[in-house]
Amino acid sequence: SQKIEQNSEALNIQEGKTATLTCNYTNYSPAYLQWYRQDPGRGPVFLLLIRENEKEKRKERLKVTFDTTLKQSLFHITASQPADSATYLCALNSGGYQKVTFGTGTKLQVIP
Amino acid sequence: EAGVTQFPSHSVIEKGQTVTLRCDPISGHDNLYWYRRVMGKEIKFLLHFVKESKQDESGMPNNRFLAERTGGTYSTLKVQPAELEDSGVYFCASSQISGIGNNEQFFGPGTRLTVL
Repeated sequence: SQKIEQNSEALNIQEGKTATLTCNYTNYSPAYLQWYRQDPGRGPVFLLLIRENEKEKRKERLKVTFDTTLKQSLFHITASQPADSATYLCALNSGGYQKVTFGTGTKLQVIP
Repeated sequence: EAGVTQFPSHSVIEKGQTVTLRCDPISGHDNLYWYRRVMGKEIKFLLHFVKESKQDESGMPNNRFLAERTGGTYSTLKVQPAELEDSGVYFCASSQISGIGNNEQFFGPGTRLTVL
């Protein structure tokens, strides 16, 4: 069955460092991969989308890579700030009207 | 511009009772989705409306769940009768562009349902 794995343990990093979160998937051929941020008591907020034919995408301090051979996406936050502390979710979709499948998320804590 | 809104924010009911959740998408968004997160698990897709039509309802758990979107505006999700395993956070999301994975979905704050 399709499976999306994100680091279940929380990631703690020092302010100013680069945070790297991992999303691995199996039994899936996604056309699109999205990253969302979720704060406690709120719904997910869309951050970035990367297509299967794209290797890398950037937005301000965020960078996403997508390796369809390794079946993995990496999500980087450079110059991390305490305000970046949240749970980050990856989500995959096979395209068109196919449903979106979410990972369980990784909780990031940026320590001042 | 107002975002996606959901009502109520929290509902506590007893097993066997009925609960109706409401979602108001962003104005002009034809696509509306319902998701559910059970404690400790990932967010799971329930169904997808395009305007008033159900595009995909493959994620609906069973026939105790009924979703409607009359007139293609707001949507309701009714659980009747509620069971203990229905507890969780129900999210609604909307998007403007056709298709799912290739466009941004805007999520509401969720409704936390507790079935006792």
